[in-house]
Amino acid sequence: NAGVTQTPKFQVLKTGQSMTLQCAQDMNHNSMYWYRQDPGMGLRLIYYSASEGTTDKGEVPNGYNVSRLNKREFSLRLESAAPSQTSVYFCASSTGGYLTTTDTQYFGPGTRLTVL
Amino acid sequence: DQQVKQNSPSLSVQEGRISILNCDYTNSMFDYFLWYKKYPAEGPTFLISISSIKDKNEDGRFTVFLNKSAKHLSLHIVPSQPGDSAVYFCAASLTGTASKLTFGTGTRLQVTL
Repeated sequence: NAGVTQTPKFQVLKTGQSMTLQCAQDMNHNSMYWYRQDPGMGLRLIYYSASEGTTDKGEVPNGYNVSRLNKREFSLRLESAAPSQTSVYFCASSTGGYLTTTDTQYFGPGTRLTVL
Repeated sequence: DQQVKQNSPSLSVQEGRISILNCDYTNSMFDYFLWYKKYPAEGPTFLISISSIKDKNEDGRFTVFLNKSAKHLSLHIVPSQPGDSAVYFCAASLTGTASKLTFGTGTRLQVTL
């Protein structure tokens, strides 16, 4: 039981390049999330998927797109990377669903992205 | 607008003593609160949580207290151990929003020998 896995662990991009961050969970969770963490700041929600087939914007969605490929996988795409997107990206999953009061999210190990 | 605040960026405590980490929030609609622990180069690990219908929740050495009138929660670690040295984030969520979490900025705890 690996929990939440993310690939790659590290990535360096040049401005304007595109890439996709991959995330998978094996806990049969319904909901999945993408966060970014910047120095001196907490984690901020980029996009989330409450259930398979749905995605919604979080607090900082600009410059990103997501795909909920199936129940296990949730990818984050940067179409044209900018230096402001240099950050550590975390994927998370939870049992989820709407109107859930005590839903706990479990996180992957993160992807460290640098955009030059 | 920072809805969840951790005003102490760092805290140093001796091994065996109590560690108290604090968190304040501004949105009175938050109804579920969580603490996560994070080691360098790893993802956050869930530690303990509390629903807004409670004022205390214990799990071993960890206790979380919630004061809704003051919009304040705290995490107590007793006794503190060197392995507890990490960054601690508090987070809050609203029912009906698919568990979107709002995080504080974190407190770095150093447990010294």
